[in-house]
Amino acid sequence: GAVVSQHPSWVICKSGTSVKIECRSLDFQATTMFWYRQFPKQSLMLMATSNEGSKATYEQGVEKDKFLINHASLTLSTLTVTSAHPEDSSFYICSANGVPGQNTEAFFGQGTRLTVV
Amino acid sequence: AQKITQTQPGMFVQEKEAVTLDCTYDTSDQSYGLFWYKQPSSGEMIFLIYQGSYDEQNATEGRYSLNFQKARKSANLVISASQLGDSAMYFCAMREGLEGGGNKLTFGTGTQLKVEL
Repeated sequence: GAVVSQHPSWVICKSGTSVKIECRSLDFQATTMFWYRQFPKQSLMLMATSNEGSKATYEQGVEKDKFLINHASLTLSTLTVTSAHPEDSSFYICSANGVPGQNTEAFFGQGTRLTVV
Repeated sequence: AQKITQTQPGMFVQEKEAVTLDCTYDTSDQSYGLFWYKQPSSGEMIFLIYQGSYDEQNATEGRYSLNFQKARKSANLVISASQLGDSAMYFCAMREGLEGGGNKLTFGTGTQLKVEL
């Protein structure tokens, strides 16, 4: 099946710094990718939809100036957590469709565990 | 209102037995898709099975089957012949509408399954 690679798998950063997370589709082109956040023992919550060549669409309550999304190519979307604070510590995971037009699966990256100290 | 409801926070099953994980959904769309994912402690999201709203037959993938009851808006996952490696968190998810914009998923709260000897 299609492969989505996410990097880094974990990161620890100091409060106030920025962290960039990459999501790559390795063997297919993804015009749309999705970013989710998962707090411990909770479900995945959609943060934003990343659209290649245009602005991301953010879900209600997600600060677009804090969570910067760039989808500059058909195989790469990045999420930058700016001025990170301890409450941003979470598991961030991206997903992309496989073959365009196929409904049957959303492929997920491995996820990034962010710890802000 | 919750769009995806998983009422079992935790389930236990004995090895080699079958187990059913419940999922009900709420949507006014005629076209939608239902997914089940497995999330082990590593955090990765492993796709298990998909059911489209227009699919007349219940989906099956190896030991996984989806008991789709459209009128009741339920999409329960049945795992047959449970194995120790099945111990994980299981999420039910839904995509509303046609795929056009990609598999933007709404997740349930998950069920933690523990397989015992």
